[in-house]
Amino acid sequence: GAGVSQTPSNKVTEKGKYVELRCDPISGHTALYWYRQSLGQGPEFLIYFQGTGAADDSGLPNDRFFAVRPEGSVSTLKIQRTERGDSAMYLCASSLSGLAGTGELFFGEGSRLTVL
Amino acid sequence: ILNVEQSPQSLHVQEGDSTNFTCSFPSSNFYALHWYRWETAKSPEALFVMTLNGDEKKKGRISATLNTKEGYSYLYIKGSQPEDSATYLCAFMVRTGNQFYFGTGTSLTVIP
Repeated sequence: GAGVSQTPSNKVTEKGKYVELRCDPISGHTALYWYRQSLGQGPEFLIYFQGTGAADDSGLPNDRFFAVRPEGSVSTLKIQRTERGDSAMYLCASSLSGLAGTGELFFGEGSRLTVL
Repeated sequence: ILNVEQSPQSLHVQEGDSTNFTCSFPSSNFYALHWYRWETAKSPEALFVMTLNGDEKKKGRISATLNTKEGYSYLYIKGSQPEDSATYLCAFMVRTGNQFYFGTGTSLTVIP
């Protein structure tokens, strides 16, 4: 498909487990963003990639969270030692222009993470 | 963290009514303001990208205005239809930043 693809769509895990969430952006989009949305909140910035490098990871809440984009396309968000507070919808978005800011974001349908 | 506020939080209107919502953001260091529509079980979709003070954009029955000096944007829907039911998000970017700051959204329900 031509859109942003996120897998899994739903993930239920136990406290303390390791989780990986995958994002496959639109081909040719150099900018990739991860956002997290908790209930009743707006999407909260986690990390921004321009190409392969993390241009801004200031939104990652702590060192349990890590994201990679080794070939400048697919990105994986990794969460270690999950906690119940990590339960949220994790959204990935890609954009053609990135830092230019005027390009719209194209979102995936999100990965809903539930930590029991 | 920059504060982006949207009001109202939720709204129920009758089919055919016109409605509008507000997005408020810091007026300094403005770079861009986006509006997105997020329907249940789907991904957010861009409605408008706005960059200039005084911008007015229109897509069908939906339009938006931008005032960067006072820090607000309005989204208008004329003759609401049930398919307009969704959460409407605004996202603000500063000139020196890399990220978009999202509001909490306005949830619109259009009653047939």
